[in-house]
Amino acid sequence: DIVMTQSPDSLAVSLGERATINCKSSQSVLYSSNNKNYLAWYQQKPGQPPKLLIYWASTRESGVPDRFSGSGSGTDFTLTISSLQAEDVAVYYCQQYYSTPGFTFGPGTKVDIK
Amino acid sequence: QVQLQESGPGLVKPSQTLSLTCTVSGGSISSGGYYWSWIRQHPGKGLEWIGYIYYSGSTYYNPSLKSRVTISVDTSKNQFSLKLSSVTAADTAVYYCASLRPGTVTFDYWGQGTLVTVSS
Repeated sequence: DIVMTQSPDSLAVSLGERATINCKSSQSVLYSSNNKNYLAWYQQKPGQPPKLLIYWASTRESGVPDRFSGSGSGTDFTLTISSLQAEDVAVYYCQQYYSTPGFTFGPGTKVDIK
Repeated sequence: QVQLQESGPGLVKPSQTLSLTCTVSGGSISSGGYYWSWIRQHPGKGLEWIGYIYYSGSTYYNPSLKSRVTISVDTSKNQFSLKLSSVTAADTAVYYCASLRPGTVTFDYWGQGTLVTVSS
C-alpha cells in the first residue's frame, strides 16, 4: 500500500498570508506512460464532506479559486493557499490514486486563522 | 448537478451488519463511466476508502475490509448500497458515498455523510 504523510499537522496563518501544506507518498505516484502525478487535494470544512480542489497534483477543479495551487512530482507535493481567506479554514487532505483501486488519503492538515 | 444522499440506521449493535444506501439524483448511475464509492471517516480522524462499484456490478474493495464488505447496485432505483458485517466499535464512523470520476480518478461529488455508531 502507498502510505501518505502530511506536514504540518496544523498551522495558523494570518489573513492574506500564504499557507503551505506538504504531502509525501511512500512511493512515487508519477505514472511514466503519461507523465501524470496521481495525486489530489481535498478541502473539508467542519460538518461538511470533503471537496475536490486539485487533481493531477496541479490542476484546479472547476470553480476553485486561483489562490489554491498544487505543485510537486514523484513523492513530494505541496498545496499552497497564496492569500488565506476566512473561508479557507478547513482540514486539507492529499490522496493518491496511483495504486487504484487502492486509494489512500493523508492524515490531514488543519488550517486556522492566526 | 449530481447529488448523493446516504440513508440507513444510525445505530448498529456489535457483531451485526451495517447497511447503508446511497441515492443518486441529477444523473443516471448507469451513465458517464462513473464508479460509485463508499468512504468513511472515524470521529475526528482521516478518510478511509471502503470500496466502489460500477453500474455493471463490478466491485473493488479495500483489502483491509474486503472480507466484511459487500457493495451492490440497483440501477432501477439509481441507488447503490454498502453492507459491512461483524461490526465492532472500531466501525463507528461517518460514512460517505461519493462518485469517482473517470479520467481524473477523483472523488468529485459527495453525500453529506451519515454517522453510524456501533454500540449495544
